[in-house]
Formats: sequence, structure tokens, C-alpha cells
Amino acid sequence: QPVLTQSSSASASLGSSVKFTCTLSSGHSSYIIAWHQQQPGKAPRYLMNLQHSGSYNKGSGVPDRFSGSSSGADRYLTISNLQSEDEADYYCETWDSKSRVFGGGTKLTVL
Amino acid sequence: EVHLLESGGGLVQPGGSLRLSCAASGFTFSSYAMSWVRQAPGKGLEWVSAISGTGDSTYYADSVKGRFTISRDNSKNTMYLQMKSLRAEDTAVYYCAKVSDGSNNASPDYWGQGTLVTVSS
Repeated sequence: QPVLTQSSSASASLGSSVKFTCTLSSGHSSYIIAWHQQQPGKAPRYLMNLQHSGSYNKGSGVPDRFSGSSSGADRYLTISNLQSEDEADYYCETWDSKSRVFGGGTKLTVL
Repeated sequence: EVHLLESGGGLVQPGGSLRLSCAASGFTFSSYAMSWVRQAPGKGLEWVSAISGTGDSTYYADSVKGRFTISRDNSKNTMYLQMKSLRAEDTAVYYCAKVSDGSNNASPDYWGQGTLVTVSS
């Protein structure tokens, strides 16, 4: 079963960009992942799924400011032109035929 | 528009039981796998269980195996989570999520709003 590793926190200034990393455990570097956003006090929101190739598919209504990329076992979520509403927790998730697993989440503070 | 609405949460004593429901609309329910995910207060997301579109295949996290049972009624567009032998550590907001395929082996794409389960005496 794969394990997903995320940094616990990040901060960036309004209008700047931020890049989150989600690292897949050894032997699972080809897995597809999903990124989710959870704003304070709200349910999670699906942002995109992201393949090993770097190809990604965004969910309905996700702004163009959100993009994904990959390198080896690392999966990235980049947010450009940060807005105040981007302050949230960001989780990655992966799955196989019999289970699903989440990373520990990264808390983004917009300065 | 896809809509997922959880219900059935509440306060239950340790050792008690509770059944959660997830009512779905806006898509062909029987064609998609579904999952339950929970979030303890102040903690991250934890996958709990998943079920295939047909209901023939079910999967559980080790933390709930043997205590929780996932099921679905495709005629009612509803998924369930029967929870037994509840413990304090089961206290969480429980979310249902839609998977983008009939099997569990696919990306999620929608979340519900969640229902709070509190296990306490």
C-alpha cells in the first residue's frame, strides 16, 4: 500500500505563487494522485487528478490558477496569483484496486 | 449537477451503533464506485471504506474492518455505512465521495458536505 508524504505547512504572499509537493513511497512512483482543497470549516473540494507523466485533469469550476506537474515520485500542485480564499489545507490522495490513502495535508497561509 | 448529501450522524455511546446515509443525485449512481472518508477534530483526512458501482466489491481500512459495513441501494441512489462497536476514536466528520469509475481503482471527483459522529458517554 502506498504512503503519501506532504509538508505540514507553507506560506506565500497574496498575488505570488506556491508549489506543494506530495511524494509517493518507494515502489509506487507511477501512481496517479488527486489533489483536494479544504477551506476552513468546509468540506473538501476535488481539484484535479495528476498522472506520473504530468498530465492532469481538473475538476469542475477549478480556476486556471491551479495546475499540476510531476517528477519521478513527486506530484506537485501549483497555485498562481494567490488569492485570500486559497488559504486552506491541501491534501493528496492515491488509490489502488482495494484501498485509498491520503497524505497528511499541507496548511497554506496567505500573507 | 452532482450532489451528495450525508445524514445519520449524531451522539452515540461507546459500544453503540449508528447508520450513515449518503443520498446521491445528478449522475447515474449505479455506474460509479463510492467511498467514505472521515476527519477527526483538528486532524487530516482518513479513508474508511469503498464500494464498487454494482455493490459486489467492498473495501475497508484496517481501523474499521469487522466493525463497519458499507452497502448501497442503487434503486434509491443511496450509500450506507453501518457502524458498530463504536469507539471514542471514531469521532469525526464523515464524508461520502464519488469515484470517477465503477471500480475503486479510479480518481475521486466529488465530495459531500459531511455528517458529524460523536462517540462519547
